[in-house]
Amino acid sequence: GNSVTQMEGPVTLSEEAFLTINCTYTATGYPSLFWYVQYPGEGLQLLLKATKADDKGSNKGFEATYRKETTSFHLEKGSVQVSDSAVYFCALSEITGGGADGLTFGKGTHLIIQP
Amino acid sequence: NAGVMQNPRHLVRRRGQEARLRCSPMKGHSHVYWYRQLPEEGLKFMVYLQKENIIDESGMPKERFSAEFPKEGPSILRIQQVVRGDSAAYFCASSLSVGFNEQFFGPGTRLTVL
Repeated sequence: GNSVTQMEGPVTLSEEAFLTINCTYTATGYPSLFWYVQYPGEGLQLLLKATKADDKGSNKGFEATYRKETTSFHLEKGSVQVSDSAVYFCALSEITGGGADGLTFGKGTHLIIQP
Repeated sequence: NAGVMQNPRHLVRRRGQEARLRCSPMKGHSHVYWYRQLPEEGLKFMVYLQKENIIDESGMPKERFSAEFPKEGPSILRIQQVVRGDSAAYFCASSLSVGFNEQFFGPGTRLTVL
């Protein structure tokens, strides 16, 4: 079955530091890959996505590249802000014969940015 | 354009009672997904529905849980005879079509079973 593994948190960084959150996946086919962000007390918001190998998803200064050879989709940002403090989820989805299936999520990485 | 709506946002039930969680998808979306988030865990897929049809319920517990998405009205996730282990955040997501698999999430319903 499909699975997503992401680095354990919490990750604590100072403002303007460089961020990497690792994510690797196992899938039977050719999944689409996503990063979602969850702020306290809220639902998940799509941050970025990539639908095929070597695609780079980017949004709000965050980016991630779909690496099929290493089955990875690491999230990076060059200079984090306090407002980036949240829980980040890596996820994948495959289109099966029955249609779009549910997302498979990693456990989430809690990011804390200190001023 | 309103996003995915869920109500109630917080629900408290005693063991043995029923919990009914509602989800209204984004306008124009006919695909609904339910997920459960246990404390310190990621979201786990439960069920995928289209109007009047359950497409995939592979993540639903075999007993006490059911879901529907009627022709009119919101999608309902129903939990009968709740137990403490059902305490979690339940998220609904919707998507536009089968091939376009970007899902938009609601704010969630936090169920507490006393």
